[in-house]
Amino acid sequence: GQNIDQPTEMTATEGAIVQINCTYQTSGFNGLFWYQQHAGEAPTFLSYNVLDGLEEKGRFSSFLSRSKGYSYLLLKELQMKDSASYLCAVRDSNYQLIWGAGTKLIIKP
Amino acid sequence: IAGITQAPTSQILAAGRRMTLRCTQDMRHNAMYWYRQDLGLGLRLIHYSNTAGTTGKGEVPDGYSVSRANTDDFPLTLASAVPSQTSVYFCASTPLAGSYNEQFFGPGTRLTVL
Repeated sequence: GQNIDQPTEMTATEGAIVQINCTYQTSGFNGLFWYQQHAGEAPTFLSYNVLDGLEEKGRFSSFLSRSKGYSYLLLKELQMKDSASYLCAVRDSNYQLIWGAGTKLIIKP
Repeated sequence: IAGITQAPTSQILAAGRRMTLRCTQDMRHNAMYWYRQDLGLGLRLIHYSNTAGTTGKGEVPDGYSVSRANTDDFPLTLASAVPSQTSVYFCASTPLAGSYNEQFFGPGTRLTVL
C-alpha cells in the first residue's frame, strides 16, 4: 500500500528553527510537495522537490532523498503566524497526490 | 472572482438527502480534483478530472459522483447522504494534470450529515 508518515504534532519556540520530517512509500514517485494549512482554511503551496537535495525559499527550505524515501521541511526564524499544520504529499505513478495526515506545529512565545 | 470558489461554505444535511457541492475556477486550469479531509487522516481523493469532458475515480469514490461539462465548473454530488460523509470537502485545480505545478485549493465546504 501507499503510506506517508509525519509526526502528528510538534512544538517550537518563536525565533527558533524546526524540522518536520516526512517518510513515504508510494507506487512510483513524481515529486513531493509541502503545503501549509491554517486551522479552518485551505492548504496553500509551500515547496516542491523532484530531485535530491535542498530547495530554499526564504525562511522555508525543503529537502528530498529519493533513495531513502525521506523529506523534511525546515522553518527558520519561527513566527507566531507559522502555527499551522504542514502537509506532505507525494505524486505517485498515476500523477495523483498521496497525502500525509499533516503535522500540527505549535509556536510558543 | 479570482481563484477557486466553493459553495456552500457549510451545510447540515439529513441522511438520505441529495446534495451538490459546487466548485468554480477562473484560472482556466485543465485539471480539477475533489478531496475530503477528516481529522487524523490525510486529504483523500474522491474524484478528479484531467480535462473538460473527462472524469476519473480517486481513492474514495463510493457514494459520490461528478461531472465536468466545461473547464470552469466541477460539481460533486452526494446522491443519498450518509453520516460517514460528514467531512470537510476541498476542490482543487492545477493547470495540467501530471505537470510539476502545484494544486490550488478552494476554501472548502464543511458538511455535516445527521
